[in-house]
Amino acid sequence: KAGVTQTPRYLIKTRGQQVTLSCSPISGHRSVSWYQQTPGQGLQFLFEYFSETQRNKGNFPGRFSGRQFSNSRSEMNVSTLELGDSALYLCASSPAVMNYGYTFGSGTRLTVV
Amino acid sequence: GENVEQHPSTLSVQEGDSAVIKCTYSDSASNYFPWYKQELGKGPQLIIDIRSNVGEKKDQRIAVTLNKTAKHFSLHITETQPEDSAVYFCAASMGSGGSNYKLTFGKGTLLTVNP
Repeated sequence: KAGVTQTPRYLIKTRGQQVTLSCSPISGHRSVSWYQQTPGQGLQFLFEYFSETQRNKGNFPGRFSGRQFSNSRSEMNVSTLELGDSALYLCASSPAVMNYGYTFGSGTRLTVV
Repeated sequence: GENVEQHPSTLSVQEGDSAVIKCTYSDSASNYFPWYKQELGKGPQLIIDIRSNVGEKKDQRIAVTLNKTAKHFSLHITETQPEDSAVYFCAASMGSGGSNYKLTFGKGTLLTVNP
């Protein structure tokens, strides 16, 4: 059974650019969440989608956005990149409406220069 | 919102010893408490979880205890092995009910098991 797949694994972008990250959940999982991981702030919740609807959003600026497609795949976008956006971005999927048993992908390492 | 405190931030043990990591949470509405292990270059891996209607759960060498009254939960690893070395995260959420569909994580514990 394939796990959560995130692409790309690594990205280097310049300040001011925008970036799109992709996440393919485990087959059959309908809930997808995104987290940002940094050494200083740890793991912080970005947003969560279920059946193409955003159900919850963390305390991040509007430059961070996401969406979910009908096949449950999800993308997140960060516009006008800042140096502080450098982080590991993790996607997690869960099979049910309730958020039990989230499985994480290996993440996308974004470096902003 | 929910706040999760995790201690200690680093823990070094000898192979075969036990390791205990403790977390406290602030929101009494939280009812789901997972623990994740993260190895270098990988995403967090769920190792055990507990729901608020249960006080203790075991899975081989790993156990989690929950004290709802005191709002704290702990991870216990017995007979530690070098491959247990990793960063461990506790988390809390409202797994059911409400609209708070997110995990709030502790800051993590770097566990080192010395051979």
